[in-house]
Amino acid sequence: SQKIEQNSEALNIQEGKTATLTCNYTNYSPAYLQWYRQDPGRGPVFLLLIRENEKEKRKERLKVTFDTTLKQSLFHITASQPADSATYLCALESGSQGNLIFGKGTKLSVKP
Amino acid sequence: EPEVTQTPSHQVTQMGQEVILRCVPISNHLYFYWYRQILGQKVEFLVSFYNNEISEKSEIFDDQFSVERPDGSNFTLKIRSTKLEDSAMYFCASSEAGGTSYEQYFGPGTRLTVT
Repeated sequence: SQKIEQNSEALNIQEGKTATLTCNYTNYSPAYLQWYRQDPGRGPVFLLLIRENEKEKRKERLKVTFDTTLKQSLFHITASQPADSATYLCALESGSQGNLIFGKGTKLSVKP
Repeated sequence: EPEVTQTPSHQVTQMGQEVILRCVPISNHLYFYWYRQILGQKVEFLVSFYNNEISEKSEIFDDQFSVERPDGSNFTLKIRSTKLEDSAMYFCASSEAGGTSYEQYFGPGTRLTVT
């Protein structure tokens, strides 16, 4: 069955450093991959979508890569700030209607 | 900026009771979804809805669950006879179209506590 693994449950970094989060998947060949941010007690918030024919996508301080050979996506936050502290979720489609399957997430803590 | 809204924010119910969770998706969106998240676990897909009918559903979405779009704005999730294991955050989401080329907008969630 399809499986998504976000390798780190938690990641602690110092303000100003680059955070790198990993998402691996198995038994799957997604056409798209999405990243969401979730704050405690809140719903996921869409950040970035990357297609299988795109190697890299950027938005402000965020960068996502997608390696379909390795079956892996990397999510980077450069010049991290304490306000970036949240759980970051990787998501892939599981059906033709766009139903998403989510990884368990990586909780990022940025210390001042 | 348009947003998905959900009511109530917190619902406490006794086992065996029926609950209805309500959502107002973004007005020009066509696809609607329900997800749930048990405390400390991943967000799980329940059901997708398009053109006034269920498009896909997960194995979690059994006969105890139903969805409805009773009017042009509301989208509801009904749990007929709640169980303790139904306790979770329930998120409604909507998107302009189906397929993951479209981002999904999630509501703030309803925390359901079954006692």
